[in-house]
Amino acid sequence: DAKTTQPPSMDCAEGRAANLPCNHSTISGNEYVYWYRQIHSQGPQYIIHGLKNNETNEMASLIITEDRKSSTLILPHATLRDTAVYYCIVSARQGAQKLVFGQGTRLTINP
Amino acid sequence: GAVVSQHPSRVICKSGTSVKIECRSLDFQATTMFWYRQFPKQSLMLMATSNEGSKATYEQGVEKDKFLINHASLTLSTLTVTSAHPEDSSFYICSAKEGGYEQYFGPGTRLTVT
Repeated sequence: DAKTTQPPSMDCAEGRAANLPCNHSTISGNEYVYWYRQIHSQGPQYIIHGLKNNETNEMASLIITEDRKSSTLILPHATLRDTAVYYCIVSARQGAQKLVFGQGTRLTINP
Repeated sequence: GAVVSQHPSRVICKSGTSVKIECRSLDFQATTMFWYRQFPKQSLMLMATSNEGSKATYEQGVEKDKFLINHASLTLSTLTVTSAHPEDSSFYICSAKEGGYEQYFGPGTRLTVT
């Protein structure tokens, strides 16, 4: 079973910041938080990952709470092409690194 | 980011026949490759994990004799669906990783068994 909880759907206006929450209260000390997204009928796309510090890259920012029990993915200026299902996954980085996908959040960006 | 390709992107086969799907890492050496299956309106389900030169490790409930996985090189893994039936129709997706780095996914292969 997936070890994360996400809202099933969210809407956001184009040009605004999209904030996607994720709860992972049972995360272990060696597990990272990964975010992937899947646009319809395509393979998942890696977005970002983090352990305990906040992270930022060209696609998004990842804010992880101090107790690491939850995180938020931020798309700073959402576009229509950001419409997708977003998956928050916790996994150890080393070893087999199995990714267990939950149902994710279906984010719809509205014009 | 790293690029993973799959071939074919779409395949239709008759019931009882076998079909092979290829997964390639184009710009890195994939020490580990994964195969997932995704039914309509559902999430991805991991089928098996394969390391180069080793036998694949299958998830519970996945028949290893039906879904044959070969990971003969650091850039290629194949999934063969043997004696396919309509219930095997699905979206098959592979992913690959190099060492301790992130997993990158292929574009998927849509299999339709008639």
